[in-house]
Amino acid sequence: AQTVTQSQPEMSVQEAETVTLSCTYDTSENNYYLFWYKQPPSRQMILVIRQEAYKQQNATENRFSVNFQKAAKSFSLKISDSQLGDTAMYFCAFITFVGSQGNLIFGKGTKLSVKP
Amino acid sequence: DAGVTQSPTHLIKTRGQQVTLRCSPKSGHDTVCWYQQALGQGPQFIFQYYEEEERQRGNFPDRFSGHQFPNYSSELNVNALLLGDSALYLCASSLDLIQETQYFGPGTRLLVL
Repeated sequence: AQTVTQSQPEMSVQEAETVTLSCTYDTSENNYYLFWYKQPPSRQMILVIRQEAYKQQNATENRFSVNFQKAAKSFSLKISDSQLGDTAMYFCAFITFVGSQGNLIFGKGTKLSVKP
Repeated sequence: DAGVTQSPTHLIKTRGQQVTLRCSPKSGHDTVCWYQQALGQGPQFIFQYYEEEERQRGNFPDRFSGHQFPNYSSELNVNALLLGDSALYLCASSLDLIQETQYFGPGTRLLVL
């Protein structure tokens, strides 16, 4: 079975500090893509960052970076210089393709609160 | 460049009724997926549409059905509503069937009483 586990239901961080959200996943496929999505109270699911499993280099997007450990099936998200607008639910997800079929598998999310 | 749009934003129905939710994909996208997100959970895949056909389906009963139109917009229909169908329904679109990055709409919040 393909699963995503986010072991931290809730986290909080002070504004301007750094926080790391954890994610582990399980798949028997070798080719897949990993994502972090952000869902603020407005409900819109926003893509934060993506990582191709075949790339060893960790992805970065401005203040957001990942630590991808393929052997350990770990994909953590680091948010630097946290801002109040980062307050949201964060979902880790991955997608694999078997033939032409693939769909996103999500974790249960981590609720991040950024405090002033 | 218009993103993914969904309508309505909120909906209240009673048990046994039927509901139709609508989605317009991001400009240039031809593949649409639907997800159900129960309160406090991550989204669960319902089905995917491409070239007006259902291409794959998650673990949802036949009460959940869909349609894709020639302009790539899509509908999700749920028959014989149950209390447990109360959730946020998300539509996501991608460039094509094997494009890995999906872009989500704002969702439709369905409450079944």
